[in-house]
Amino acid sequence: GEDVEQSLFLSVREGDSSVINCTYTDSSSTYLYWYKQEPGAGLQLLTYIFSNMDMKQDQRLTVLLNKKDKHLSLRIADTQTGDSAIYFCAETPQGSNYQLIWGAGTKLIIKP
Amino acid sequence: DVKVTQSSRYLVKRTGEKVFLECVQDMDHENMFWYRQDPGLGLRLIYFSYDVKMKEKGDIPEGYSVSREKKERFSLILESASTNQTSMYLCAVGLAGERLNEQYFGPGTRLTVT
Repeated sequence: GEDVEQSLFLSVREGDSSVINCTYTDSSSTYLYWYKQEPGAGLQLLTYIFSNMDMKQDQRLTVLLNKKDKHLSLRIADTQTGDSAIYFCAETPQGSNYQLIWGAGTKLIIKP
Repeated sequence: DVKVTQSSRYLVKRTGEKVFLECVQDMDHENMFWYRQDPGLGLRLIYFSYDVKMKEKGDIPEGYSVSREKKERFSLILESASTNQTSMYLCAVGLAGERLNEQYFGPGTRLTVT
């Protein structure tokens, strides 16, 4: 079945760039998402990319999609303490009208 | 954006109790979801509802049931709570259309079963 994999932890220094990686197995995925979960809160949609794009930029966030390798990444420039959170990657399988397949989440730890 | 609220942020229940978790949206979206979140396992779908009185089982429905009597409200029921149901429960509302399957989440209910 479909699967989405992420590393569980990433540690970076404040001010550096963070790169959170995700791999998925369903080559027919249509949309891919990044969600952010701050401590004690629910998930919020951070950004998304459609499968016919290979890059999307939104202020400090850059999403890169490599369809050939089924690899998605989220780059956060100039990482701040407020970026401390768990970041979830999710994909929409083709043909699904509701489902999201979720990664386990990457906890981003910011070192001063 | 849709606002999703959940009835409790924290809940402590005893083994064998019947537990109700409520989720309410402030709009009229058809798709609503219940997930549980456990460390290292990500989000696992328990149940999904695509309209009033309509539901589908997700990946881990055992030990749970749901109720959707009104469009804005989706309830998760633990018929007889067990310690392995201690978890964070997240409700989400799904948007159909252009951004297919985009979901908005409530703040979560952390349930402890003792």
